Amino acid sequence: NAGVMQNPRHLVRRRGQEARLRCSPMKGHSHVYWYRQLPEEGLKFMVYLQKENIIDESGMPKERFSAEFPKEGPSILRIQQVVRGDSAAYFCASSPDIAKNIQYFGAGTRLSVL
Amino acid sequence: EDKVVQSPLSLVVHEGDTVTLNCSYEVTNFRSLLWYKQEKKAPTFLFMLTSSGIEKKSGRLSSILDKKELFSILNITATQTGDSAVYLCAGKETSGSRLTFGEGTQLTVNP
Repeated sequence: NAGVMQNPRHLVRRRGQEARLRCSPMKGHSHVYWYRQLPEEGLKFMVYLQKENIIDESGMPKERFSAEFPKEGPSILRIQQVVRGDSAAYFCASSPDIAKNIQYFGAGTRLSVL
Repeated sequence: EDKVVQSPLSLVVHEGDTVTLNCSYEVTNFRSLLWYKQEKKAPTFLFMLTSSGIEKKSGRLSSILDKKELFSILNITATQTGDSAVYLCAGKETSGSRLTFGEGTQLTVNP
């Protein structure tokens, strides 16, 4: 049973470009969460999605950031017009249902903005 | 705003030592407290604590929750170099889904 898969592991973008981060949850998991880890800081919640629905996006910056979890395929975190301050590790987690609470994490995508 | 504070932020010990990592939390409608181990990859789940005073144990690791004083501790006995990692504590509320993480404790175990 493969774990949470994120790709790419490393992503380099120039200022103004778009970044697309992908997350495939564990098999049987329909709940996906995105977190951001800035240098020297803890993980910060961004967004929680179920299949085709955004449930909680209260941690997501209001502009340039969006997330989706389509019926088929991985969840995508999209950052438009990246700036240097977006450089961080972005982690995805999944859980089988909300009641169990345990979120299993992927290895993260390290985004570097030049 | 929910808040989780871990201490110490870093700790250096020798193999065989016992360590205690601390986590205090202020989480609205608190439901559970989770511990993760983060090496240079995915945070790995260790424990989830929901009830006060009940110790959870896995090998040399154990953890307990005090819901009255709003804290949890993670103990590691007979530490090994492979225990070197960042240990993360996170609180979860009853409603909603987010985990609120502390900054982590960087543990270094020297041979």
